[in-house]
Amino acid sequence: DSGVTQTPKHLITATGQRVTLRCSPRSGDLSVYWYQQSLDQGLQFLIQYYNGEERAKGNILERFSAQQFPDLHSELNLSSLELGDSALYFCASSAAGGGQETQYFGPGTRLLVL
Amino acid sequence: AQSVTQLDSQVPVFEEAPVELRCNYSSSVSVYLFWYVQYPNQGLQLLLKYLSGSTLVKGINGFEAEFNKSQTSFHLRKPSVHISDTAEYFCAVTRSNSGYALNFGKGTSLLVTP
Repeated sequence: DSGVTQTPKHLITATGQRVTLRCSPRSGDLSVYWYQQSLDQGLQFLIQYYNGEERAKGNILERFSAQQFPDLHSELNLSSLELGDSALYFCASSAAGGGQETQYFGPGTRLLVL
Repeated sequence: AQSVTQLDSQVPVFEEAPVELRCNYSSSVSVYLFWYVQYPNQGLQLLLKYLSGSTLVKGINGFEAEFNKSQTSFHLRKPSVHISDTAEYFCAVTRSNSGYALNFGKGTSLLVTP
């Protein structure tokens, strides 16, 4: 158990819909990362937050947005969903977001868009 | 820019045999290097990481990796594998000059058979 929790574990929805994925980091970790894992693109970094502020952006679509709340949990919002958004979405946390730190991964949310 | 190349997408091996999973990276700046493992239907778990110092790094579950700066490689090895090592293995880098996210290779699927 990494100490990172993600809900829900599975999500099935239709094209055009909007969903919210939730992540609670390990106790004491200030930095949260979101990654997308798909068969064709592999593991891709989406976005990073540190102590409530956006720190870095990766290959995140404009239809996707995220935030980190004062209690440090984070939410990833996916809107106008397309079939190609079906993937496993991981949240990871680290102490302070340094490049040398270990990132601890949650179990993921599997999203299926029909 | 930086990229990570995992040279083998699948590696089949017999139980108790040695294994090497290859990883090459390209980067114009110093990097930190990581190997993560993903067991079926689970999140990613850190096996080991190279930050600086000794080029031979030991990790969990009997794995080790050697950093070779001249060949820009970070190959993962285990002298004797078990059935339970069957999993997906990911090599990743972060840049040393800022707290950025993990940049992953495409992964190597290790299949250990009796």
